[in-house]
Amino acid sequence: DAGVIQSPRHEVTEMGQEVTLRCKPISGHNSLFWYRQTMMRGLELLIYFNNNVPIDDSGMPEDRFSAKMPNASFSTLKIQPSEPRDSAVYFCASSYTRQETQYFGPGTRLLVL
Amino acid sequence: AQTVTQSQPEMSVQEAETVTLSCTYDTSESDYYLFWYKQPPSRQMILVIRQEAYKQQNATENRFSVNFQKAAKSFSLKISDSQLGDAAMYFCAYRSARGETSGSRLTFGEGTQLTVNP
Repeated sequence: DAGVIQSPRHEVTEMGQEVTLRCKPISGHNSLFWYRQTMMRGLELLIYFNNNVPIDDSGMPEDRFSAKMPNASFSTLKIQPSEPRDSAVYFCASSYTRQETQYFGPGTRLLVL
Repeated sequence: AQTVTQSQPEMSVQEAETVTLSCTYDTSESDYYLFWYKQPPSRQMILVIRQEAYKQQNATENRFSVNFQKAAKSFSLKISDSQLGDAAMYFCAYRSARGETSGSRLTFGEGTQLTVNP
């Protein structure tokens, strides 16, 4: 069975541009999580969906960040406009239920110049 | 709020030897889950082992085992017969078992970089 799929794997963009990160969770998983990893802050949860509904977005840094989950097999994390401090590795994870073990995708390494 | 602390930023071990990575956490809850994730240079986060707080028996997964001390709020990872492929950053993580929101968030430690010497 395929694991969590993320695209793109690497993204380099210029400040002010819109960035869209994509995630396909493991089939049958009902919970989806977006995490960000930086040297300064480590790994932190940005937002969490359960059955396609956002449950906890308290980790979303500001209004420039938005996330959607239009169906059970796809989610996006959008940054508009992007800033250099958004440079990080963004992980998507999914679990069968919100209580089960979270399995991570390979991550998207974002560099904003 | 829960916190997770890994006091060893770096550790090294000789191939085939045993190494223990430390993790402590702070919580007022009695029901929770603890995890060790491995992050090799590829950056992929890979689940190593999981422990439910209500279980007294320590979890094991092949060469990986934990020493879970609930009263001391300690959760160490032992890697036996270390292999070159075990070299990675290891993260300890906590998750509450309660609540719609807090019961889903993983709280991670700072990580321990493990080097395996041939």
